[in-house]
Amino acid sequence: GNSVTQMEGPVTLSEEAFLTINCTYTATGYPSLFWYVQYPGEGLQLLLKATKADDKGSNKGFEATYRKETTSFHLEKGSVQVSDSAVYFCALSEYNQGGKLIFGQGTELSVKP
Amino acid sequence: EAGVAQSPRYKIIEKRQSVAFWCNPISGHATLYWYQQILGQGPKLLIQFQNNGVVDDSQLPKDRFSAERLKGVDSTLKIQPAKLEDSAVYLCASSLQGGSQYFGPGTRLTVL
Repeated sequence: GNSVTQMEGPVTLSEEAFLTINCTYTATGYPSLFWYVQYPGEGLQLLLKATKADDKGSNKGFEATYRKETTSFHLEKGSVQVSDSAVYFCALSEYNQGGKLIFGQGTELSVKP
Repeated sequence: EAGVAQSPRYKIIEKRQSVAFWCNPISGHATLYWYQQILGQGPKLLIQFQNNGVVDDSQLPKDRFSAERLKGVDSTLKIQPAKLEDSAVYLCASSLQGGSQYFGPGTRLTVL
């Protein structure tokens, strides 16, 4: 079945450091890929998405590129801020499976000033 | 545009009691999802509705969980009787015909 694997956290960085959170997936078809963010005490928010191979999703300085050859969708940001501290979830969905999201386990990011 | 609304935000119950959660999706969103998020894990789909019909309930523990969306808008999720392992955050999400999903703030359930 379909699945998503994320790098384990917590990840602790200093402000302005470079961020990479690895995400790989297993899918039977051609999924859409997503990154969601969950700030403390809040619900999940869609951060970015990509719907086909080689697409790059971007938002708020975060980027991720859909790599079909490596089945990956790594999240990157060039310079993190304290306000980026949150839990980040990678997810996939397939249209022929009703569009339900299958999530990774989440990666907690803590950014120190 | 108003987001997905959920209530209550927090609930504490004893095991074997019953509990119900309510969700109001974004206006016009035909697809509604209930996810269970256990601490330290990613959310897992419990049930998906398209209008008032069930699309996928394969992961719903039907001996104790039930859900309905009678008029194709609001939805309720019920647990009866609750077990300790049901302690989790219950997330409701909605989308336009299977597009990007928008999540509510969740209901945090603690079963003692």
